[in-house]
Amino acid sequence: SAVISQKPSRDICQRGTSLTIQCQVDSQVTMMFWYRQQPGQSLTLIATANQGSEATYESGFVIDKFPISRPNLTFSTLTVSNMSPEDSSIYLCSVDDSRDTQYFGPGTRLTVL
Amino acid sequence: GESVGLHLPTLSVQEGDNSIINCAYSNSASDYFIWYKQESGKGPQFIIDIRSNMDKRQGQRVTVLLNKTVKHLSLQIAATQPGDSAVYFCAENIPGGSEKLVFGKGMKLTVNP
Repeated sequence: SAVISQKPSRDICQRGTSLTIQCQVDSQVTMMFWYRQQPGQSLTLIATANQGSEATYESGFVIDKFPISRPNLTFSTLTVSNMSPEDSSIYLCSVDDSRDTQYFGPGTRLTVL
Repeated sequence: GESVGLHLPTLSVQEGDNSIINCAYSNSASDYFIWYKQESGKGPQFIIDIRSNMDKRQGQRVTVLLNKTVKHLSLQIAATQPGDSAVYFCAENIPGGSEKLVFGKGMKLTVNP
């Protein structure tokens, strides 16, 4: 399976600021996804990062709050904009291996004060 | 609506026992199911998967059973070890479009030595 890395691994941010999370894969993949995992909760899909076009957002998530870039087949970024304490979560990227199986990065643990 | 849920939020077993983790899904169109293991501070790790044309699949010490009649999925772990302690998630793939995964609530397995 692909090796996925995320930066930063964790961060503590102030309310009102923005944080950009990077996801790097060691091989070219078609599908990349971003998830949020709130404390003690399951994973919720934020959006599908499409290479060369706008991301596809799930209900409840909007581009202004979570802008996503996908400049090539091995890299994507997720920005959490104008953060509030409610944005404190683990943010995870995943990739699809073309057989519907998704593999996850280690996650970015975000705390907003 | 679409939902994937787990029957048991926590499970505590003795080392060497067999563990069974259950999951109910509601979307009869789902055609692919995955079990993930998430250890503290890490991203979800793929354990085993099963497609809807099968009712059983075995891996190393793990077995997944699928009952499409009652929309039920289970993960069996044989000879549970302390290293199996983690939160386990089931996920279903809803076909058509973005091939997204919907995750269940998660169940914490604690293995006592």
